[in-house]
Formats: sequence, structure tokens, C-alpha cells
Amino acid sequence: EAGVAQSPRYKIIEKRQSVAFWCNPISGHATLYWYQQILGQGPKLLIQFQNNGVVDDSQLPKDRFSAERLKGVDSTLKIQPAKLEDSAVYLCASSLRVDGNTEAFFGQGTRLTVV
Amino acid sequence: QKEVEQNSGPLSVPEGAIASLNCTYSDRGSQSFFWYRQYSGKSPELIMFIYSNGDKEDGRFTAQLNKASQYVSLLIRDSQPSDSATYLCAVNGGGNKLVFGAGTILRVKS
Repeated sequence: EAGVAQSPRYKIIEKRQSVAFWCNPISGHATLYWYQQILGQGPKLLIQFQNNGVVDDSQLPKDRFSAERLKGVDSTLKIQPAKLEDSAVYLCASSLRVDGNTEAFFGQGTRLTVV
Repeated sequence: QKEVEQNSGPLSVPEGAIASLNCTYSDRGSQSFFWYRQYSGKSPELIMFIYSNGDKEDGRFTAQLNKASQYVSLLIRDSQPSDSATYLCAVNGGGNKLVFGAGTILRVKS
């Protein structure tokens, strides 16, 4: 079974530029999460999808971040414009069910550096 | 109060000892609890999950859950240098929302 795929693995951009990350969850997984992990901290949930609907985006900085999950499969996360403090690893994870009793599996992450 | 709290460490234990990692959570309605291991520069990988009060054992790992005290722990027996990593506690509350703690750094010294 293929795992969660993310691309790109690394990205360096200048502040005020835009960037997009892509995630393809494990086949059949209903829930998809995007997390931001700043060095030395735990993953912070940015947005959670169940199928193609948003369940939680309370910590997504909506003035600059956006995300979509078309057709309930893969997802993109966009930052526009980027700030220096957006430098982090962006992790995508998916889980099979929506009832909470299911583990989440992570992709390799995208390491973003904003200079 | 943070939703999920962990001591950041580092927790240092000698090789062969038992490492004890602790986590508290604020949401009494939380349903399931997970421990992830994260090596430096890598993404989190699931070690164990626990849903019911009590202990759950898997090889050298034991997860313990006390919902009344809102406390979950991970014991690692016969610790090895390869166990050196950051251990993340994650709690799944309502709506399948998975919230992580800041992680505890474990160092196993040979």
C-alpha cells in the first residue's frame, strides 16, 4: 500500500512570494490533515478535511493560507504572500475513518525556507 | 492551558533502562490517544495507539491511559540508542481532530 505522497520535498522562496504544496493521501482515506511544524515544536494543525469538506481550519491564517481538496482525494496548500515566520515543515497526514478511532499516517513533509 | 502537554525534556536514560514519557490533555471528551516517534529531519511515525483505560503492550512499548486523570504515558523497556528521538503525544477529540503535544526529546546513552 502506497503511503502519503507530498511534493516538493524542499522549497526556498523569498518573502512575499507564493508557494504551493501538494499531498496525495493513502487511497481510501477519508480524512486529510495539513500540519505546520516549526523547528523544535510539535505539529500544529492548520486544516482538516473529511472527504472534500473542511472540518476544522481554525488555526489557518486565512489572510495568506488557503487549501483545497478537490474530489475528496489529493489536496493543495498555498501560501501567498509568504512571510519569514512561515519557514517550517509542512506535513500532510491521512486517516481511514472519520470516527476518531483510527491512526493518521504522515507523508515525508515539505521543508519551506523563506528568505 | 494547552490542549496536550508534554515535558520537553531532554529525558536522558542509560541503555537498557526504562524510559517513561508522560502526556496530559485537557479535553475530557477525547476518544483516542497516539504516540508517535520523530527522528530528526523525519516525519512522525506511529508507535502505538490506545483507546481504553489501562495498559496496552506492544513489544518493548507499553502505553498507559487514565481518562479520569486525563493522563497518558509511554514506557519503553530495555531502551536502545536507536530509541533516541522526539516522542509526540497526540489526542483525538471530537470530530476526528488530531492534536499534538510539543514532544519530549529522549536520549538513550550507551
